[in-house]
Amino acid sequence: EAQVTQNPRYLITVTGKKLTVTCSQNMNHEYMSWYRQDPGLGLRQIYYSMNVEVTDKGDVPEGYKVSRKEKRNFPLILESPSPNQTSLYFCASSFIVNQPQHFGDGTRLSIL
Amino acid sequence: GENVEQHPSTLSVQEGDSAVIKCTYSDSASNYFPWYKQELGKGPQLIIDIRSNVGEKKDQRIAVTLNKTAKHFSLHITETQPEDSAVYFCAASKDSGYSTLTFGKGTMLLVSP
Repeated sequence: EAQVTQNPRYLITVTGKKLTVTCSQNMNHEYMSWYRQDPGLGLRQIYYSMNVEVTDKGDVPEGYKVSRKEKRNFPLILESPSPNQTSLYFCASSFIVNQPQHFGDGTRLSIL
Repeated sequence: GENVEQHPSTLSVQEGDSAVIKCTYSDSASNYFPWYKQELGKGPQLIIDIRSNVGEKKDQRIAVTLNKTAKHFSLHITETQPEDSAVYFCAASKDSGYSTLTFGKGTMLLVSP
C-alpha cells in the first residue's frame, strides 16, 4: 500500500530537548516536504527536498533542520524545541512539486 | 513569494445544496492548483487539481474552475452529503526547479442532514 509514515504520532516534551520526527515514503517519490498546521493559519511549509541531498527552506524554517540522505526518508529535527513549535506536523511526498502530494497522518507535538 | 487567499473560512449548507469555495493567488507564474480535503485526525487528501492550460475540470460532484486573468480558482461541490463535511484547502505552485506549494488557510465545510 502506497503510504507516507510519520513517527511518532504524538509527543509531549520539554523546551530544549532535541527531538526528531521521522518520515518515510514507499512510492519512490523525489519530492518530500514538511508542513506545520496551526489554527487559523492553514498549512505552512517548513522545508522541502527535491531529491537526495537537495533541501531548501520553505516559508517557516526557523528552529528546524532536515536531512535527505536516502530517497525514502526525510526526518524533521528540532535541535532546541520551544513552546512556539507546538503544532500539528505533516510530511508529504510526490514525484515533483506539481503533482498530487501524499500526506502522512500527522504528528502532534506539544512542547512545554 | 506566492500568497493564496481562501474564502470563506467556514461554510454551512444543507444536505443536497451546492457549496462553493474561492481562492485567489498572487503569482501569475503559478500553474498548478490542487484542492485537498482534510478529515478529522487525518492528513490532507487530494480531491481534484487543475493546471493553467485548462479552465475547468469535473469529477462527479466536484468541479474546479480557473480564471488565469483574474488569478482566482474555485471549488464547486454539488448535491452535498454529510460525508463532505471536512476542512478544504486550496493551493498553488509553479513549474520551477525550486518551487513550493503554498496553501490557503482552509475552509471548514459543514453539511447538515
